[in-house]
Amino acid sequence: GENVEQHPSTLSVQEGDSAVIKCTYSDSASNYFPWYKQELGKRPQLIIDIRSNVGEKKDQRIAVTLNKTAKHFSLHITETQPEDSAVYFCAPISYNTDKLIFGTGTRLQVFP
Amino acid sequence: EAQVTQNPRYLITVTGKKLTVTCSQNMNHEYMSWYRQDPGLGLRQIYYSMNVEVTDKGDVPEGYKVSRKEKRNFPLILESPSPNQTSLYFCASRAGGGRGSPLHFGNGTRLTVT
Repeated sequence: GENVEQHPSTLSVQEGDSAVIKCTYSDSASNYFPWYKQELGKRPQLIIDIRSNVGEKKDQRIAVTLNKTAKHFSLHITETQPEDSAVYFCAPISYNTDKLIFGTGTRLQVFP
Repeated sequence: EAQVTQNPRYLITVTGKKLTVTCSQNMNHEYMSWYRQDPGLGLRQIYYSMNVEVTDKGDVPEGYKVSRKEKRNFPLILESPSPNQTSLYFCASRAGGGRGSPLHFGNGTRLTVT
């Protein structure tokens, strides 16, 4: 079945530094690649997504890059701020299946 | 306001006492799904539904039931809850179709089974 791995599991950075989280998937039919942010005690919410016909997408301090050949996509956060502290999840969607597998999450801590 | 509404937010029950967690969305989404979230295990899919009367198992369906009689509602039923079902549960919906679309999550239900 589909395998989704996320690295690292925890990430601590100083405010202002950059953070990168990588998601590796196995289903070559995956065609939609979202990243969700979950703040403590809250629900996950979409922060950025990319489709398979695009290599990179940017939204202010957040970007997502996709490497379909290597089957991975990454979340990039620049100029990190304390409010970026949260758990981040990837959850690629495949046109082959309606089942959904989430990465196990990355806990990002941004220290002032 | 577009939203997914889950109830209740908190629920404490005893082993074996049937319970239902309700989920409703007002976005006319075809796809609805349930997840449980446990420390160190992330979000795991329990059941999903592509449309009315169409449901299918996710990765951890044992001990759960669902139904999709109307497009907007997707209740999660625990016929005989056990302590290992103590968890944080999320309902989510998204537009259907093969291109993929973002999930919209409810606020979660924290269930404790004693």
